[in-house]
Amino acid sequence: DAGVIQSPRHEVTEMGQEVTLRCKPISGHNSLFWYRQTMMRGLELLIYFNNNVPIDDSGMPEDRFSAKMPNASFSTLKIQPSEPRDSAVYFCASTPRGTYGYTFGSGTRLTVV
Amino acid sequence: SQQGEEDPQALSIQEGENATMNCSYKTSINNLQWYRQNSGRGLVHLILIRSNEREKHSGRLRVTLDTSKKSSSLLITASRAADTASYFCATNIIQGAQKLVFGQGTRLTINP
Repeated sequence: DAGVIQSPRHEVTEMGQEVTLRCKPISGHNSLFWYRQTMMRGLELLIYFNNNVPIDDSGMPEDRFSAKMPNASFSTLKIQPSEPRDSAVYFCASTPRGTYGYTFGSGTRLTVV
Repeated sequence: SQQGEEDPQALSIQEGENATMNCSYKTSINNLQWYRQNSGRGLVHLILIRSNEREKHSGRLRVTLDTSKKSSSLLITASRAADTASYFCATNIIQGAQKLVFGQGTRLTINP
């Protein structure tokens, strides 16, 4: 099992550019979560999906952020336009039905300059 | 504000000693979980304790839960240098849903 796979591992972009982060959950896991981690705010839940359907997006900071899960094996988090305050590590995690421990990916470190 | 708050924020001990970290939370929970994060890596699930449980063990880890005080503790016995990491508690606060709210973490350093 390759675990939760995120890409890219690092992303440096200029303010105003579009950024797309990708996640492949573990096969068979039916819930997928996007978190953002910063020193100031810690780990914040942005959005999560059950069976590819967005359940709670109350953590998405603004309309510049959007997330999709077109199928059970792929999700994207898009920021358009990006701003320096979006700089953070973005984690994707998944979990199977009926259990509550998350498996996290290695994260994408985003730097917006 | 964060649902869970860890205490202390940082802990430094000698190898072989026991490490205790505490977590307090504000609202009723379905379960509470502990995670470890090594520098530059993702979080790793360590242990889950349900609201009707009071204590749970996994190897060198011991977790307690006191729902009346809304608090939990994580004990790592016979610490090793490899235990150096940040430790987070996370609470599942909605029955039947899988949303977790994380605390700010305790930075644990094990000195050889």
